[in-house]
Amino acid sequence: GAVVSQHPSRVICKSGTSVKIECRSLDFQATTMFWYRQFPKQSLMLMATSNEGSKATYEQGVEKDKFLINHASLTLSTLTVTSAHPEDSSFYICSAWSDRASTDTQYFGPGTRLTVL
Amino acid sequence: DAKTTQPPSMDCAEGRAANLPCNHSTISGNEYVYWYRQIHSQGPQYIIHGLKNNETNEMASLIITEDRKSSTLILPHATLRDTAVYYCIVHSGGSNYKLTFGKGTLLTVNP
Repeated sequence: GAVVSQHPSRVICKSGTSVKIECRSLDFQATTMFWYRQFPKQSLMLMATSNEGSKATYEQGVEKDKFLINHASLTLSTLTVTSAHPEDSSFYICSAWSDRASTDTQYFGPGTRLTVL
Repeated sequence: DAKTTQPPSMDCAEGRAANLPCNHSTISGNEYVYWYRQIHSQGPQYIIHGLKNNETNEMASLIITEDRKSSTLILPHATLRDTAVYYCIVHSGGSNYKLTFGKGTLLTVNP
């Protein structure tokens, strides 16, 4: 299957700082990438959808100025959590979709655990 | 979007078949049944999907009832590494389809 990576896998930062998370499709070009957030003991919640070269579409209740998404190429999307606070501590997961992949599905990255002190 | 219903948890003995049910009584004609799983602290993993016919791959088998209102994911010989939360999701596919994850079924494989 298609491979999606995320970097970093784990990050700890101080309150008020910004954190950037990268999502890469390693062996296919992703026309669409998705960002999810998962709090402990809860299911994944979609934050935003991004198409290469265009602005991301955010889900209701997700602040676009706080969670900056850039999808500058067909293999890379970044999520920047600006002015992070302890309530932003969560497991962030990206996924990628390609019409050129062998299966019509989203492929998920391994996730990034963010802890804001 | 069609809603799915899954039991919150199931147990299975190692080496035995694990049969995970999913109800999707409001599924529409162009919607597929997808299964993913999430092992603790990892991203979800695609398992299998189907429209009408039963499907099998190296990971699992998917049995869809003739009326398509329910399905069963079968792991033929469960191992301890199959312990995970299994999600059944119904959608029509495509690039901009947004997956909605429910609570899934926590499958615990016991030695």
